Amino acid sequence: EDKVVQSPLSLVVHEGDTVTLNCSYEVTNFRSLLWYKQEKKAPTFLFMLTSSGIEKKSGRLSSILDKKELFSILNITATQTGDSAIYLCAVKNAGGTSYGKLTFGQGTILTVHP
Amino acid sequence: NAGVTQTPKFQVLKTGQSMTLQCAQDMNHEYMSWYRQDPGMGLRLIHYSVGAGITDQGEVPNGYNVSRSTTEDFPLRLLSAAPSQTSVYFCASRLGNEKLFFGSGTQLSVL
Repeated sequence: EDKVVQSPLSLVVHEGDTVTLNCSYEVTNFRSLLWYKQEKKAPTFLFMLTSSGIEKKSGRLSSILDKKELFSILNITATQTGDSAIYLCAVKNAGGTSYGKLTFGQGTILTVHP
Repeated sequence: NAGVTQTPKFQVLKTGQSMTLQCAQDMNHEYMSWYRQDPGMGLRLIHYSVGAGITDQGEVPNGYNVSRSTTEDFPLRLLSAAPSQTSVYFCASRLGNEKLFFGSGTQLSVL
């Protein structure tokens, strides 16, 4: 059965700190890894990673995938209170259909204090 | 530009009652799905559909039914609500292998 594990489960930092969130996985027929940010309600998409070693970057957020060691990290530099959220990692396998199956990790709760 | 619309946003049920959570998307996505989110357990797939007339079970399907009569709509039915179904429910859709788009969620309490 596919498995996605995120760590830490929760993290409290102060504004300006840099954080690294981890996501490890065991998936049959890996297709892609996705990161989502969930503030009050609906998760919103951050990144989709398919290839090892290629960093995806958006402002202060960046992410990279290691398909050999089966993990990904999400980095947030110069954190702000608006970064407080649950960060979800999900892995898609090739599945039985062309749509694949998405398995989510438990999420990391990030709290940024002013 | 509505995206994925879920109703209601909040609902309180008594044990044994039935209800339907509505989900509609206007992006012509073939794939639609329902997740539940519980503390410490991430998002777990209940049911999904890859097109009108096609549905399949996810990880936690017991106690829930779905149907997909149109591309746009994917309602989730609770047949006889139980306290264990207290959760936040999300509907999500995508086109092929692209990213999932989520609805705003339904917070359900079963007393």
